[in-house]
Amino acid sequence: AQSVTQLGSHVSVSEGALVLLRCNYSSSVPPYLFWYVQYPNQGLQLLLKYTSAATLVKGINGFEAEFKKSETSFHLTKPSAHMSDAAEYFCAVSDAGANSKLTFGKGITLSVRP
Amino acid sequence: GAVVSQHPSRVICKSGTSVKIECRSLDFQATTMFWYRQFPKQSLMLMATSNEGSKATYEQGVEKDKFLINHASLTLSTLTVTSAHPEDSSFYICSARERGGYGYTFGSGTRLTVV
Repeated sequence: AQSVTQLGSHVSVSEGALVLLRCNYSSSVPPYLFWYVQYPNQGLQLLLKYTSAATLVKGINGFEAEFKKSETSFHLTKPSAHMSDAAEYFCAVSDAGANSKLTFGKGITLSVRP
Repeated sequence: GAVVSQHPSRVICKSGTSVKIECRSLDFQATTMFWYRQFPKQSLMLMATSNEGSKATYEQGVEKDKFLINHASLTLSTLTVTSAHPEDSSFYICSARERGGYGYTFGSGTRLTVV
């Protein structure tokens, strides 16, 4: 079984400040890890994914995440927050199986203060 | 990149009627389709997984006779909410996976309101 833990439900940062959204996973097999962003009343947009290649993954909109097996973590970061980053962020895990399903964390709301 | 078109984006229906939601993969073959339900301020709850040409596999607690899923082609999957009730009001999202692919492409979601 796989699971994802996203601690906290809300993170607030000032515009221009570092964004750090935490994600820890549990998986009995090598995991594939994903970060998605969701704006109100919209579907999910992929920010980045880890699929057993480089452990530091760069995504869209300046986001990146580092896979740390020893810490079972895949935290999402962005050096400088923009107002447009305010949204809901989901971390998710799957495995390499053909029909493998995504298991989502409960999500974190990011607010950006002017 | 891969795109999944989901329609309608919003639908209001009367209690007791049925509603069909469509998801189409526009530039790839969706061998596997996932259907999710999302309540306000909550995460996505997987309802069912379907493979093209096969019956859907429903998650525990999801009524298969109420939420009918059809995946008759590699580019189209539908979710029909039968005899809808106000408690079925929710945000429904589909996600498609290509054979051999690592990613999951999401539709834009459907806001269903049953009155």
